[in-house]
Amino acid sequence: GAGVSQTPSNKVTEKGKYVELRCDPISGHTALYWYRQSLGQGPEFLIYFQGTGAADDSGLPNDRFFAVRPEGSVSTLKIQRTERGDSAVYLCASSLSAGNNEQFFGPGTRLTVL
Amino acid sequence: SQQGEEDPQALSIQEGENATMNCSYKTSINNLQWYRQNSGRGLVHLILIRSNEREKHSGRLRVTLDTSKKSSSLLITASRAADTASYFCATDHTGANSKLTFGKGITLSVRP
Repeated sequence: GAGVSQTPSNKVTEKGKYVELRCDPISGHTALYWYRQSLGQGPEFLIYFQGTGAADDSGLPNDRFFAVRPEGSVSTLKIQRTERGDSAVYLCASSLSAGNNEQFFGPGTRLTVL
Repeated sequence: SQQGEEDPQALSIQEGENATMNCSYKTSINNLQWYRQNSGRGLVHLILIRSNEREKHSGRLRVTLDTSKKSSSLLITASRAADTASYFCATDHTGANSKLTFGKGITLSVRP
């Protein structure tokens, strides 16, 4: 079956602009996670959804970051007033359900803020 | 913050040799997962080992977990050039809502 997909694969934007990053999880997976990875570092947790609700958004760096998952499948990560420090690879993962299960990652979106 | 720490940071071996990578963590876990990453993009899931397990195998991969020492190791036997990648351990900590905490990763180079 299809894995986790993310679009776009690359996004270049200017400082101050708004961006949306999309994640399509594996069909049937109820848990969805967003991570951010900077160069030379491991991924860092941003937010986790169980179904439609954000169960844990403790990793979002500030209120410019927001994510939704309105129908419990596709999720969109939204970044307002982008800053150069937001440049990173944004990774999405899904798992069958929360709790002691493998998380499968998508290919990521490389965001570059000029 | 990143709790998991892998060592070594970089490892270079000859094709056919075994590669051993280690991971340590600080607080109790539900499970620990190892991932491979090529070219800084998507992570490929390798193995999940739960806190009540001590060893798991998958093909040429062997993972051990010692919860008393809060450490894990990943052994790749008979390495191949195609195993060249970055390897990460990620911990699912107790009470952490299943979010994974990653280390900085280990860069493995396998020379043909």
